[in-house]
Amino acid sequence: GAGVSQSPSNKVTEKGKDVELRCDPISGHTALYWYRQSLGQGLEFLIYFQGNSAPDKSGLPSDRFSAERTGGSVSTLTIQRTQQEDSAVYLCASSPIIHEQFFGPGTRLTVL
Amino acid sequence: TQLLEQSPQFLSIQEGENLTVYCNSSSVFSSLQWYRQEPGEGPVLLVTVVTGGEVKKLKRLTFQFGDARKDSSLHITAAQPGDTGLYLCAGPHTGNQFYFGTGTSLTVIP
Repeated sequence: GAGVSQSPSNKVTEKGKDVELRCDPISGHTALYWYRQSLGQGLEFLIYFQGNSAPDKSGLPSDRFSAERTGGSVSTLTIQRTQQEDSAVYLCASSPIIHEQFFGPGTRLTVL
Repeated sequence: TQLLEQSPQFLSIQEGENLTVYCNSSSVFSSLQWYRQEPGEGPVLLVTVVTGGEVKKLKRLTFQFGDARKDSSLHITAAQPGDTGLYLCAGPHTGNQFYFGTGTSLTVIP
């Protein structure tokens, strides 16, 4: 079956612009995670959605970052007024049961 | 300060050699997972260890969870070029947060 998909695969933007990153999870997976990964490094937790519960936003680095998940499926991560330090790969994962995560290929964001 | 520290950070070995990667924390984890990530792709789950002292084998890969559930190791026997990648340990901690280790980049030279 289809895995987790993310779009765009690459995004180049200018400092100060807003960007939206999309994640399509595996159908039926109730949990969805967003992570950020700097070059060759481990993953930094950003936000967690579980069903209809309020999301855990404790990993978002600033109020410029927000995310939503519509209808318990597709999720969008929005970064407002992008800064150069936001450049990274943004990974999305979905999970059918707690902690077993299936990752998408990521979106590589470059802020010039 | 990273919650999960991995060592070594980089490892380059010849095909056929054995290696061990370590994942250490000062905190207790209810479980730990190991992932492998290849360039341009997301991490792929290899194994989950749950019980202190647990040992799991996956072909040439052996995973161990420390007795105190604060550390884990990954041992690869007779490494092959296909084992090349970034190895990440990870585990749940407070709330819904999932912490990933600092990563070990493995290169197996043919």
